[in-house]
Amino acid sequence: DAGVIQSPRHEVTEMGQEVTLRCKPISGHNSLFWYRQTMMRGLELLIYFNNNVPIDDSGMPEDRFSAKMPNASFSTLKIQPSEPRDSAVYFCASSPSHGTHYEQYFGPGTRLTVT
Amino acid sequence: SQQGEEDPQALSIQEGENATMNCSYKTSINNLQWYRQNSGRGLVHLILIRSNEREKHSGRLRVTLDTSKKSSSLLITASRAADTASYFCATLIIFGKGTRLHILP
Repeated sequence: DAGVIQSPRHEVTEMGQEVTLRCKPISGHNSLFWYRQTMMRGLELLIYFNNNVPIDDSGMPEDRFSAKMPNASFSTLKIQPSEPRDSAVYFCASSPSHGTHYEQYFGPGTRLTVT
Repeated sequence: SQQGEEDPQALSIQEGENATMNCSYKTSINNLQWYRQNSGRGLVHLILIRSNEREKHSGRLRVTLDTSKKSSSLLITASRAADTASYFCATLIIFGKGTRLHILP
């Protein structure tokens, strides 16, 4: 099994540009999570999906952030327009069933730098 | 809001010693999980303890859970250089800020 796949691994962009992060969960997993990690704020849950449906998006910082899961094998996190304070490592994770009861499998992360 | 909170924030010990990290949380839980993160990598699941369990072992790891105090501890015995990492507890898919463990040779 390839594990959770994220792309790109690194992204450098200028303020105001649109950024799209991609995630492929482990096949057969029903839950998918997006996290953001910074030194100051630690690991923050942005949104999670169960069976492709968003369950909790209360962690999404503002309207500039949006996430989609069009099918069981793909999800995107979009930031438009990006700002320097969005610089962080963004992790995607998947879980075999409803996320609060099972362990999560993390991808390698996307390091985003907004200048 | 942050659910799990680890203590201490950082810990340095000699190789071979035991390392103990603590976690406190705020609300009722079904289970509590511990994860490890090596620098620049994603988190890796270590162990899950259910709310009706008090102690669980996995290799050199021992986890305890006290639901009356809303706290958990992770003990790593006979530490090795490879144990150098950050350790996080998680409840209800919310993570704490982690304990940075450094094993000195």
